[in-house]
Amino acid sequence: DIQMTQSPSSLSASVGDRVTITCRASQSISIYLNWYQQKPGKAPKLLIYAASSLQSGVPSRFSGSGSGTDFTLTISSLQPEDFATYYCQQSYSTPTTFGPGTKVDIK
Amino acid sequence: EVQLVESGGGLVKPGGSLRLSCAASGFTFSSYSMNWVRQAPGKGLEWVSSISSSSSYIYYADSVKGRFTISRDNAKNSLYLQMNSLRAEDTAVYYCAREFSGYGGNWFDPWGQGTLVTVSS
Repeated sequence: DIQMTQSPSSLSASVGDRVTITCRASQSISIYLNWYQQKPGKAPKLLIYAASSLQSGVPSRFSGSGSGTDFTLTISSLQPEDFATYYCQQSYSTPTTFGPGTKVDIK
Repeated sequence: EVQLVESGGGLVKPGGSLRLSCAASGFTFSSYSMNWVRQAPGKGLEWVSSISSSSSYIYYADSVKGRFTISRDNAKNSLYLQMNSLRAEDTAVYYCAREFSGYGGNWFDPWGQGTLVTVSS
């Protein structure tokens, strides 16, 4: 199975900050990488698919980049509604696997 | 509006069985692969199982293989997960999710609200 890691595991940030979350795969996964946002008690929500494609309806302050083994989710200007946990997911091979998550909370 | 609604969760004793359902609406259910993903309390996301649009291809996580069975009824726009020989470590919120496939892989959107399964004596 492909192992996914994320860093940091948590971070504290202020509204307006630029936030970057990193996801690393245990082997090359091309661009087969997705990002989800999950708020407490809610289902995950797709933000980015295929490493850098913004899902319809997702604010443009979210962006994704990377290929191979290293990927990044960037929030250009953190908003109050962005405080949540973020997960990456690889779909290169079955089983699909998720990263352990990065919790973004208020500084 | 595209919607997925899970049901069937609850408290069950170790070794027991439970059947989860996921009712789909707002899209052509028979055109999409579907998945179950679970999340243990306070933990991350774990993929459980997937089924192709016509049920031709079915996959399971090793952790549930031989105990869980995924199925679907396209006439009823419904997805199911039959869970047998349940263990404490199966305790989780179970989500169903629609799968999209395209350039750059597969992704899940949307997800249902989840149903809680608790395995405890």
